[in-house]
Amino acid sequence: AQTVTQSQPEMSVQEAETVTLSCTYDTSESNYYLFWYKQPPSRQMILVIRQEAYKQQNATENRFSVNFQKAAKSFSLKISDSQLGDTAMYFCAFMKQGGGYNKLIFGAGTRLAVHP
Amino acid sequence: ETGVTQSPTHLIKTRGQQVTLRCSSQSGHNTVSWYQQALGQGPQFIFQYYREEENGRGNFPPRFSGLQFPNYSSELNVNALELDDSALYLCASSFRTGSDGYTFGSGTRLTVV
Repeated sequence: AQTVTQSQPEMSVQEAETVTLSCTYDTSESNYYLFWYKQPPSRQMILVIRQEAYKQQNATENRFSVNFQKAAKSFSLKISDSQLGDTAMYFCAFMKQGGGYNKLIFGAGTRLAVHP
Repeated sequence: ETGVTQSPTHLIKTRGQQVTLRCSSQSGHNTVSWYQQALGQGPQFIFQYYREEENGRGNFPPRFSGLQFPNYSSELNVNALELDDSALYLCASSFRTGSDGYTFGSGTRLTVV
């Protein structure tokens, strides 16, 4: 069974600074996807960034980038130029590729606070 | 393009009662999944529907059941509510593979007293 671990329950950062959120996962699969989702107080899960395991190049979306280390089963999220609107819960998630159905396996989340 | 909408937003039920939660999927998406998010935890997969049939289920008892309609909207039904069923219930829609990621609704906050 796959598991996702986020070892930082809470993080804080000053506005305009850079912060990195950690995520490790355990799987015997070779083909899968990894995601970071943001959940603000509005409760809606918002997709931040996705990574396909077969791609060595790290994904980037504007101020958000990942450091994907497949051998180490590590998938960290870096937020550059942090903004007040980045304050939210951040969840790392794993999804196996293929099979009869797909499901997301989430970590426990990291609460990020961005301070002015 | 409309997103995923869920109703109601909040709900209070008594232990032993039954509840139905509703979800309208994002336009163009044909797969709907339901997740339970207990306070302070990550979401847990309940089940997934594709072409009006359940095609995958997580570790939830049979009193959790669902439906998907021809327009891809969905319902989650929970019978014989227990106090531990208190949680945020999230609906997510996607294309068949889900590889592009899911679009989530804002959830229904269920409180069982």
